[in-house]
Amino acid sequence: KNQVEQSPQSLIILEGKNCTLQCNYTVSPFSNLRWYKQDTGRGPVSLTIMTFSENTKSNGRYTATLDADTKQSSLHITASQLSDSASYICVVSFSGGYNKLIFGAGTRLAVHP
Amino acid sequence: NAGVTQTPKFQVLKTGQSMTLQCAQDMNHEYMSWYRQDPGMGLRLIHYSVGAGITDQGEVPNGYNVSRSTTEDFPLRLLSAAPSQTSVYFCASRRQGEQYFGPGTRLTVT
Repeated sequence: KNQVEQSPQSLIILEGKNCTLQCNYTVSPFSNLRWYKQDTGRGPVSLTIMTFSENTKSNGRYTATLDADTKQSSLHITASQLSDSASYICVVSFSGGYNKLIFGAGTRLAVHP
Repeated sequence: NAGVTQTPKFQVLKTGQSMTLQCAQDMNHEYMSWYRQDPGMGLRLIHYSVGAGITDQGEVPNGYNVSRSTTEDFPLRLLSAAPSQTSVYFCASRRQGEQYFGPGTRLTVT
């Protein structure tokens, strides 16, 4: 069964600290993996997208990694800010179809001053 | 560009009522879709469209209808609302692998 599992479910960190969110997937055949940030009451916004051949991709203080062999991805947030408080969603795409996206349930991050 | 817009932002319905959730995009994207987001679950695809006049079912289509008469608009109709349809609904448009979400509609069915 095609699944995307994220951990932890929720996380609290202090402002300025780093954190890493995890995403494990069993989607096959794999096409690409995206990380989205969803602020409370808003729609998800894309942070990064990685294909099979990419190991790392950065977007400012956000760095995503992908290990296609172990089917794991991580999102590392450096020097967290209060505005990083949001849900982070991992989405894996099948090969060959617009409609074939599998969404993780997300990790809810709270950054405290 | 306004991107993807959705109305209303909030809605409360009684069981059995019908309504239409509006979605529009001004980016000339061919692909549009509707998702629902429930607590503790990933977004689930309800219906999608690959262009004007073409729609298809997603993972959870029961109780919902869609139509796509123009590239810009993709309304979602609830035929007879049920409490199980209480959720947050997101419309999205997509181009070259990048998906753009609207701000969502929070629907409560009592």
